[in-house]
Amino acid sequence: DTAVSQTPKYLVTQMGNDKSIKCEQNLGHDTMYWYKQDSKKFLKIMFSYNNKELIINETVPNRFSPKSPDKAHLNLHINSLELGDSAVYFCASSRVPLSYEQYFGPGTRLTVT
Amino acid sequence: AQSVAQPEDQVNVAEGNPLTVKCTYSVSGNPYLFWYVQYPNRGLQFLLKYITGDNLVKGSYGFEAEFNKSQTSFHLKKPSALVSDSALYFCAVRDIEAGNNRKLIWGLGTSLAVNP
Repeated sequence: DTAVSQTPKYLVTQMGNDKSIKCEQNLGHDTMYWYKQDSKKFLKIMFSYNNKELIINETVPNRFSPKSPDKAHLNLHINSLELGDSAVYFCASSRVPLSYEQYFGPGTRLTVT
Repeated sequence: AQSVAQPEDQVNVAEGNPLTVKCTYSVSGNPYLFWYVQYPNRGLQFLLKYITGDNLVKGSYGFEAEFNKSQTSFHLKKPSALVSDSALYFCAVRDIEAGNNRKLIWGLGTSLAVNP
């Protein structure tokens, strides 16, 4: 069974479109994250939810909007896509109370043309 | 300011030789330190962590790391490298200033190439 899954795996779209990426974890974790990994492999935290509450909201354009319908799911919606949004987006999860270990999904490679 | 540094962008080692991937950190308080590995076109995988206790931490795939408080380092090591160890390695430290938000500060990654 896949612990942290993301869909789609690849996403190719044009500038100006709106797209969503979905993430699900079956680990029973209470905290989920979205990361962006750019072409230089630099990893940047974007958002984190704990039990459906937004707890980390980094400096990210407001075109990016996360949504957590329940603690097992965290989605990322991106409006008005730009070329610079092209990257690999990773979802991750971790468990309370003191565990900082994060478990990552396989990533969604977004290409904006 | 809190930070993590991986001073080498790339490390090359021959198969069978010992490998070291370096990490230094700067945080206030007690550091929680982590190593992750990313194989090509894959997500990151947790390798090992140091929270407290023995300075030598053993992890997955035969890797270990040594916490050195005086040198503020947490270098990743393996006694005998395999070609399959070739990957991107990330060091991370708990962001203490983020409180209970369980945020990690990530290094920029070190690409390890093990040559047959």
